[in-house]
Parts: sequence; structure tokens; C-alpha cells
Amino acid sequence: GAGVSQSPRYKVAKRGQDVALRCDPISGHVSLFWYQQALGQGPEFLTYFQNEAQLDKSGLPSDRFFAERPEGSVSTLKIQRTQQEDSAVYLCASSAGRTDTQYFGPGTRLTVL
Amino acid sequence: KQEVTQIPAALSVPEGENLVLNCSFTDSAIYNLQWFRQDPGKGLTSLLLIQSSQREQTSGRLNASLDKSSGRSTLYIAASQPGDSATYLCGLDAGNMLTFGGGTRLMVKP
Repeated sequence: GAGVSQSPRYKVAKRGQDVALRCDPISGHVSLFWYQQALGQGPEFLTYFQNEAQLDKSGLPSDRFFAERPEGSVSTLKIQRTQQEDSAVYLCASSAGRTDTQYFGPGTRLTVL
Repeated sequence: KQEVTQIPAALSVPEGENLVLNCSFTDSAIYNLQWFRQDPGKGLTSLLLIQSSQREQTSGRLNASLDKSSGRSTLYIAASQPGDSATYLCGLDAGNMLTFGGGTRLMVKP
């Protein structure tokens, strides 16, 4: 079956622009996670969904970051008024249950100029 | 707050060597620990998941151990191959997220 997919794979934005990053999890996976990965570092948690409910958003760095999963499947991470420090790879992962193996997508590399 | 450290940060070995990657953590209240590999420009590929109640897991040439009392996990790779070259990450599940170490960049030279 298909794995986790993310789009776009690469995004270049001018500072101040809004961006939207999409994640298609593995079909039937209840849990969905977003992580941010800076160059040369491990991923850092942003937010977690169980079905359509956002149960943890403690990792979102500011109120410019917003995530949704309205129908419990596809998720979108939105960043408003992008800044240079937002440049990173944004990874999405899904799992069948909360503590099951997490399967990661290829990531979206965001560059803010 | 959980802190995860991976040592060494980088490792270069000749093909065929057995090697050990280390992961240490500060909070032993975890659900599980997962080892991943990441190839340049790619996402993370799950290698092994060790449940909190388990001591080790094996998959092919890979063996991962977990010692919660000492806050350590090791990933053992037997008979390394050039295709094993990648960054290896450990992630600890202690809540609604994985907390990752900085990774070990492994290069296996032919």
C-alpha cells in the first residue's frame, strides 16, 4: 500500500508570505504527527492529531503556525507571515495507534528568503 | 523534559565491520523507543521499535537493545555494507510525540 505522502516537496517563499503544507497519511491511520527538522538536527515535535482532534499542539513555535485535519485523514500545516527562521524540513508521520510505529513522509523543504 | 543524546555524531568504518550506535535519554518513563534511518533529502524509515517492557528487538543484521534503568539504547549493525550509510536516529515515545536525538551519521566505506 501507499506510504505517507507530502506536498509540495519543496517550497520557496518570500518573507511574509503564507504557506500551506499537505500531508496524506497511510489510509486508516488514526494518529498523525507533524515535526520540524532543522539542518543537521533531529526532528522536533510540532503537533499531534487523533482522527480529527488536535490533542497536542505544544510544539508549535508561535501563533503563526496552524494545523488542521478536518475529516480525520489529510492534514494541512499552515504557516502565516513566514520568517527566515521557519526555513526547515517539515515532516509528517502517521501511525495506526498512538504508540505504534510512526511512518514518515518524505518531508517538505521550506526555504524562506 | 526528555533529553536524548546520540554518540558518536559521526562514524566512518570499512565495509564488513560490526558497529554499535548509542542513544541515551534522561527520563525512563517511556512507552517505546524507535530507531530510524534517514537518507539525505528523504524522510525517516523505521528500523526497529522496542516496547518499554522489552529488552531487545532484532531485524536481519540489526539488533536494538533497551535498558531503561540506565537510560540507554544501542543499535548494533552486523557486517556493515556501503548501503548502510545514512543518518541513524533514535526517537523516544513518552507522550504524544517522539523526542529525537541529533542522530549519528554513518559512512561505510567499500
